[in-house]
Amino acid sequence: SYVLTQPPSVSVAPGKTARITCGGNNIGSKSVHWYQQKPGQAPVLVIYYDSDRPSGIPERFSGSNSGNTATLTISRVEAGDEADYYCQVWDSSSDHPRDVFGTGTKVTVL
Amino acid sequence: EVQLVESGGGLVQPGGSLRLSCAASGFTFSSYEMNWVRQAPGKGLEWVSYISSSGSTIYYADSVKGRFTISRDNAKNSLYLQMNSLRAEDTAVYYCARDVYGSGSKGYYYYMDVWGKGTTVTVSS
Repeated sequence: SYVLTQPPSVSVAPGKTARITCGGNNIGSKSVHWYQQKPGQAPVLVIYYDSDRPSGIPERFSGSNSGNTATLTISRVEAGDEADYYCQVWDSSSDHPRDVFGTGTKVTVL
Repeated sequence: EVQLVESGGGLVQPGGSLRLSCAASGFTFSSYEMNWVRQAPGKGLEWVSYISSSGSTIYYADSVKGRFTISRDNAKNSLYLQMNSLRAEDTAVYYCARDVYGSGSKGYYYYMDVWGKGTTVTVSS
């Protein structure tokens, strides 16, 4: 089955840039989506189709995807960005399609 | 307002059954694929099951296949998850989530754009 690997944690100072990676075999051939989850809350979609932002998501959030790594970038980090972040792909490579989530990354704002 | 509200969670003994519901409002439910996603305490997100808009296509995660059944009633704007033979490792918050289909240069894809607040299932004796 397809596996997505994320670093367990990323720490960043306010105003700086956070980069969260999502590794997968030839992930660049798939469309990657990203979710933000704050404690006790449901996930919120922040990036879809590698780099598109849903309405209401700040331009500070951006995404890229190439080769074996997709990246979520948060620019000018704010305290409110502290959360868990998950990447996700739809794996249709077998006769048993499925959604796959990454292992998750906790972003801490110093 | 687009909204998903889960219900039906609770405490159940190992081997028991539970039926979760998800009530949809604010959008044309019958036009969307839907998912169940769960999150064990302190753990990450785990996709559980997918159902197409008509209910004709269904997929399950290997961890629940043969024990869980997803269904929907488009007339009632509702999604369901029947959970049988429950195990301790099924303990989690269960979310229903609306799927959005898209296609591009890399083929087709799905992402989840609306989530409910979740319902908690605890499997314990």
